[in-house]
Amino acid sequence: GAVVSQHPSRVICKSGTSVKIECRSLDFQATTMFWYRQFPKQSLMLMATSNEGSKATYEQGVEKDKFLINHASLTLSTLTVTSAHPEDSSFYICSAKALTDTQYFGPGTRLTVL
Amino acid sequence: KQEVTQIPAALSVPEGENLVLNCSFTDSAIYNLQWFRQDPGKGLTSLLLIQSSQREQTSGRLNASLDKSSGRSTLYIAASQPGDSATYLCAVPNSGGSNYKLTFGKGTLLTVNP
Repeated sequence: GAVVSQHPSRVICKSGTSVKIECRSLDFQATTMFWYRQFPKQSLMLMATSNEGSKATYEQGVEKDKFLINHASLTLSTLTVTSAHPEDSSFYICSAKALTDTQYFGPGTRLTVL
Repeated sequence: KQEVTQIPAALSVPEGENLVLNCSFTDSAIYNLQWFRQDPGKGLTSLLLIQSSQREQTSGRLNASLDKSSGRSTLYIAASQPGDSATYLCAVPNSGGSNYKLTFGKGTLLTVNP
């Protein structure tokens, strides 16, 4: 099946710093990529949807200036958590979708903000 | 707004047992329904996708059924194995096309004891 990678898999940073997470579709071109956040023992919550070459669409309650999303190519989307705080600590998962309905998920990035 | 509920939240069974996981959704006008598996601290692996016109899908020891009118889906796992231990999530999209957003249930944590 299609493969989606995320980098880094785990990051620890100090409060106030910015963190960038990459999501890549390795063997297909992703017309749409999605960013999710998952808190412990909770389900995945969609943060934003990004289409290549256009601005991301954010879900209600997600601050677009705090969670910057760039989808510069058909195989790469980045999520930057700006001025991270401890409450931003979470598991961030991306997914990528091509022309079919199936979304392929990355392995996730564990962010810990001290 | 679509809501997805999964019952039970956790399930523990001895190896070899057949089991059923349940998923219900409030808006029956779904495009399809997808079952995923998530191992601890990992991303999601797609197990089965059932289109709205289908009643069931099978893959190996897994069988997923869909009853749109009642807003329910079940995931049947035959002859369970310790390696099946994981969290199982069901998800439904809001629509097809580029705005394909998934709403997830909270998942069922399955433990298969050897």
